[in-house]
Amino acid sequence: DAGVIQSPRHEVTEMGQEVTLRCKPISGHDYLFWYRQTMMRGLELLIYFNNNVPIDDSGMPEDRFSAKMPNASFSTLKIQPSEPRDSAVYFCASSSTGIGEETQYFGPGTRLLVL
Amino acid sequence: KQEVTQIPAALSVPEGENLVLNCSFTDSAIYNLQWFRQDPGKGLTSLLLIQSSQREQTSGRLNASLDKSSGRSTLYIAASQPGDSATYLCAPVGASGTYKYIFGTGTRLKVLA
Repeated sequence: DAGVIQSPRHEVTEMGQEVTLRCKPISGHDYLFWYRQTMMRGLELLIYFNNNVPIDDSGMPEDRFSAKMPNASFSTLKIQPSEPRDSAVYFCASSSTGIGEETQYFGPGTRLLVL
Repeated sequence: KQEVTQIPAALSVPEGENLVLNCSFTDSAIYNLQWFRQDPGKGLTSLLLIQSSQREQTSGRLNASLDKSSGRSTLYIAASQPGDSATYLCAPVGASGTYKYIFGTGTRLKVLA
């Protein structure tokens, strides 16, 4: 298996622009997680899905952030409009069972810079 | 609210030393705890997962212990190697249905050849 795939790997955009991050989980995994990592706040869970349904989005910072999972093999995290404080590394992870029962497998991340 | 602290924040040691990385958490009602490794510019790799009913887990040169009641976990690395250089993160998972990983800030380890 190729592991969790994220695209793009790097994104540079200007403030106010829409940003879409993409994730393909490991085949057969029914949990998908979006995290954000910054120097100031460390690694934070933004939202997670089970069987394509959002379960907990309490970590989503504000309405500018939205996430979708239209099918078992694809998820997007969208920021609209983007702001400089959104600059971070965004990770996607997947697991085959519930959190804590099975390890999560992380993608390589998308490094976002908003100017 | 779960808060996770890792000590030390950074560590630089010569090759061959045995190491101890510490993790403390404020809410002891956890489901389990996991240790991860993160290499620069990369994602996280799971090292060890300890269920709340367990006291330790071992994998090769790594041994992780868990004292849930005192809110502490320790990662032991035996005979450290330069390839062990990375950031190590601990993540307890809440048992109250939140099922969130709350990550510590990590310990940056550098093993010198």
